[in-house]
Amino acid sequence: GQQLNQSPQSMFIQEGEDVSMNCTSSSIFNTWLWYKQDPGEGPVLLIALYKAGELTSNGRLTAQFGITRKDSFLNISASIPSDVGIYFCAGLTSGTYKYIFGTGTRLKVLA
Amino acid sequence: EPEVTQTPSHQVTQMGQEVILRCVPISNHLYFYWYRQILGQKVEFLVSFYNNEISEKSEIFDDQFSVERPDGSNFTLKIRSTKLEDSAMYFCASAVNNRELFFGEGSRLTVL
Repeated sequence: GQQLNQSPQSMFIQEGEDVSMNCTSSSIFNTWLWYKQDPGEGPVLLIALYKAGELTSNGRLTAQFGITRKDSFLNISASIPSDVGIYFCAGLTSGTYKYIFGTGTRLKVLA
Repeated sequence: EPEVTQTPSHQVTQMGQEVILRCVPISNHLYFYWYRQILGQKVEFLVSFYNNEISEKSEIFDDQFSVERPDGSNFTLKIRSTKLEDSAMYFCASAVNNRELFFGEGSRLTVL
């Protein structure tokens, strides 16, 4: 079946540093979503991407839809302690209703 | 800001019992979903629902599972006879157009 691998699996960074993470697959997707999940809560939508090559920002977050349509990237600039959590990518294939979620990147910020 | 609400937040049940998880999607949304997340693992698709019928379901969504939109506002997930491996967080989501999914806070199901 379709799989989305996220990298890195986890990362510790210093407050103020920039963060990069990615999501890759062997399958092609038509839409990418990026979510943040805090412990015991539901995923919160951060950014949606609809076209190959698209670059979209939401405050300190910037995400890109990869040109091959098999990957996506999320960057967080100037990290702060509340950025701690698990970041998930989710991809949707044309003609389906099923978003496939990635394996997640756990972010920990050291003050 | 409108949000998806789920009840109960936590349910403990005995194996073999029926469970109903309830969701109130965002009011102008037309697409509804159930996902689940076993502790520490990724979010898995169960089922999508549009125009009063199931539009897609996963292999997890077997005959023990059913969904219903009984009254135009609630969207429910029923598990007929729970198994130990059904223990998970169950998330309801809704969308205007099957593009941007908004999730609820989840219902934690513990099967003993």
